[in-house]
Amino acid sequence: DSGVTQTPKHLITATGQRVTLRCSPRSGDLSVYWYQQSLDQGLQFLIQYYNGEERAKGNILERFSAQQFPDLHSELNLSSLELGDSALYFCASSRDPRRETQYFGPGTRLLVL
Amino acid sequence: ELKVEQNPLFLSMQEGKNYTIYCNYSTTSDRLYWYRQDPGKSLESLFVLLSNGAVKQEGRLMASLDTKARLSTLHITAAVHDLSATYFCAADFGNEKLTFGTGTRLTIIP
Repeated sequence: DSGVTQTPKHLITATGQRVTLRCSPRSGDLSVYWYQQSLDQGLQFLIQYYNGEERAKGNILERFSAQQFPDLHSELNLSSLELGDSALYFCASSRDPRRETQYFGPGTRLLVL
Repeated sequence: ELKVEQNPLFLSMQEGKNYTIYCNYSTTSDRLYWYRQDPGKSLESLFVLLSNGAVKQEGRLMASLDTKARLSTLHITAAVHDLSATYFCAADFGNEKLTFGTGTRLTIIP
């Protein structure tokens, strides 16, 4: 158990819908990262927050957005969902990204029908 | 382009044998990470390599980093069935976001 929690574990929805994925980092970790894992794209970095501020952006679609709240939990919002958005979405956190690893949560498996 | 390449993609090996997974990356990075993923599960951190020449060992796994060659290796010694998993390397190219390799799916055959 990494100490990073994510909800929900599974999500099934229809095309065109909007969903919110939630992540609570390990206690004391200020950095939160979101990743997408799919069969065709592999593991891709989406976005990073540090203490409430956006720090880095990766291959995140305009239909996706994220935020980190004052209590440091983070939410990833996915809208106008398409079949290709079906994937495993991981959240990770770290205390000092220059010296230690990122700890990954259990993931949210999203299926868009 | 920031790229991380792993090989082999698939590796089937017998118990008791040794093998090495290779991770090449495209440009300067002095932080290299190895993760393990079991089917349907999350990523478990194995090693963090922070400098040229770094070597870390845990049980039957040993990882090393050669920043001049832009190469990291994960060596498996006397493989056992429990090591069957997908192994990922990831590089931090100085921007604190990880660029992952394609993964190596390792199957240990009794």
